[in-house]
Amino acid sequence: EPEVTQTPSHQVTQMGQEVILRCVPISNHLYFYWYRQILGQKVEFLVSFYNNEISEKSEIFDDQFSVERPDGSNFTLKIRSTKLEDSAMYFCASSETGTDGYTFGSGTRLTVV
Amino acid sequence: DQQVKQNSPSLSVQEGRISILNCDYTNSMFDYFLWYKKYPAEGPTFLISISSIKDKNEDGRFTVFLNKSAKHLSLHIVPSQPGDSAVYFCAASDSNYKLTFGKGTLLTVNP
Repeated sequence: EPEVTQTPSHQVTQMGQEVILRCVPISNHLYFYWYRQILGQKVEFLVSFYNNEISEKSEIFDDQFSVERPDGSNFTLKIRSTKLEDSAMYFCASSETGTDGYTFGSGTRLTVV
Repeated sequence: DQQVKQNSPSLSVQEGRISILNCDYTNSMFDYFLWYKKYPAEGPTFLISISSIKDKNEDGRFTVFLNKSAKHLSLHIVPSQPGDSAVYFCAASDSNYKLTFGKGTLLTVNP
């Protein structure tokens, strides 16, 4: 069954450093998303991406965050200057139609120290 | 502002019995509802969905019921199995295709 692949599975970074979280969505999917889950809290929407541009972003997704689809397969989330409160599980998801069947990756645990 | 609420943080059920997970929402613009199951250290896995034009959708042991007037949906699992033990997230989607999740309910099915 097709999968959404996320790398790395765990990233430890120092506060103030830049991190790039990588995702390979399912190949025929057109809609891409990043979500995060701070430990013990709910899964929160960060950003959606369609047709090579951001279609929607949440309040969390401020100027420190950016997304890119640098080639036909990868979808990356960059955090320019990490803060302690950015520590969370970050999930990438993709969808063929934008409605049914969002497929999530297994997540990247980001720890900012 | 919790637009999607799962008021029960946990639920414990005996194997073979019915599990009922509940979810309430406040945003009337939501038109699509999904249930996800999540095991530790894994991403949410899509389970079942329902469009706002329906009031019931069934897939094997899983049935989702939607009561639009009450802004309430529920997931029924029958019969429950130990492998169903996981965190279940209710999610709602609007026309912008982004999901808003509830906080999740930890289901434990005891053998």
